[in-house]
This record gives sequence, C-alpha cells and structure tokens, in this order.
Amino acid sequence: GQNIDQPTEMTATEGAIVQINCTYQTSGFNGLFWYQQHAGEAPTFLSYNVLDGLEEKGRFSSFLSRSKGYSYLLLKELQMKDSASYLCAVCSNDYKLSFGAGTTVTVRA
Amino acid sequence: IAGITQAPTSQILAAGRRMTLRCTQDMRHNAMYWYRQDLGLGLRLIHYSNTAGTTGKGEVPDGYSVSRANTDDFPLTLASAVPSQTSVYFCASSAEAGASYEQYFGPGTRLTVT
Repeated sequence: GQNIDQPTEMTATEGAIVQINCTYQTSGFNGLFWYQQHAGEAPTFLSYNVLDGLEEKGRFSSFLSRSKGYSYLLLKELQMKDSASYLCAVCSNDYKLSFGAGTTVTVRA
Repeated sequence: IAGITQAPTSQILAAGRRMTLRCTQDMRHNAMYWYRQDLGLGLRLIHYSNTAGTTGKGEVPDGYSVSRANTDDFPLTLASAVPSQTSVYFCASSAEAGASYEQYFGPGTRLTVT
C-alpha cells in the first residue's frame, strides 16, 4: 500500500518562507509531484522530482531524498495568493499517483 | 474548449439513481483519470485509461464504471448512487501514462447523494 504524510495546516506571514514536508512509503517509486489547489478549484502542477536534490522554479523549490522517502516544497517570499492547499503525490511502479491529504497554507498580512 | 471540461458542475442526486459525470479534453492526451476528493483523505484514484479503448481500476473502483470510446471523452457512471459517494470528482489527463507526465485536472463536479 501507499502511505504519504504531510502536515494538515501551516500558517505564515506575507514575505516569509514556508517549508512543507512530505514523507512517503510506497510500492516502488517513479517520481514525486507537488500540486497547488486553491479552495474550490482544480489542482495545478507545481513540480516534479525523480532524482535526489533541489529543483528551483522561481519562488518555489522542491527537494527530494529517495533514500529517506522525503520531499519538501519551499515557498519563498510568500504572497497572499499563495494561500492554498499543497498536495504531495508519489508515482509508483504502475505509474499511478498516490496523493497525500494535502497541507493547507494560510498566508497572513 | 481549452483543456479539460467536466459536467455538471454540481449535482444533488437521490440514493439509488444512476448518474454519469462527463469529462472531455481537447489536448489529445492519451491517458485519463477519475479521482474523488474527500476532506482529510486527499485525492483517490477511481478508474483510469492509458489510451482510448482501455480502462483500469484504481484504488476505489467499487460502485463506479468508466468507458473510453475515443481519445477525448472519459465518462464516469454511478450505477446506483449511495450517500458514501458524496464527494468532489475530478477528471484529469496526461499526455502519456508514464512517470514524468504531469496531470491536468478539470474543474471538478461536486456530487451530493441524499
């Protein structure tokens, strides 16, 4: 089975940095995705990691350690529009995604 | 049409009724997926299709069926709805079924079974 854990909620101040952790135990590993989902909307793709290390994309970065079954999403220079849920998803051997329950980030002024 | 569309946007359905949720994409993607999203549980895969003419079962397929007669359409049918099927349903697609292909999600259908 798949087990993907991420914190339920996080709160941060506008302009700050927030790190969302994701740990996973899955049957096989073919990469890890991060998606952003605003309330009442569809998830949208943020990042994909398949090799260890840090992938930077503007204000957002994603890190992966396969040996530790661990990833994080780093959001820098937080803006009010970053208030959303962030979903960690692991691609397993059958190329299907298993999602964590999501982390709701609230950005306060 | 741009991307993925779903219909209806929301629906209230009496238990025992049959319902088909529609999903159409115009990106010529080979792979399509149906998920349900429930509070505290995240997205769970119901059924998928790697290419037109093929379908497969996901994590929670019971009570649901799908068909993939062509590339663009992937309808999800609830044969006899039950209250536990109250959820938000998302259709998604990706260019291929492989590991690195990001999935694009439709706007969702909010279904309430009473």
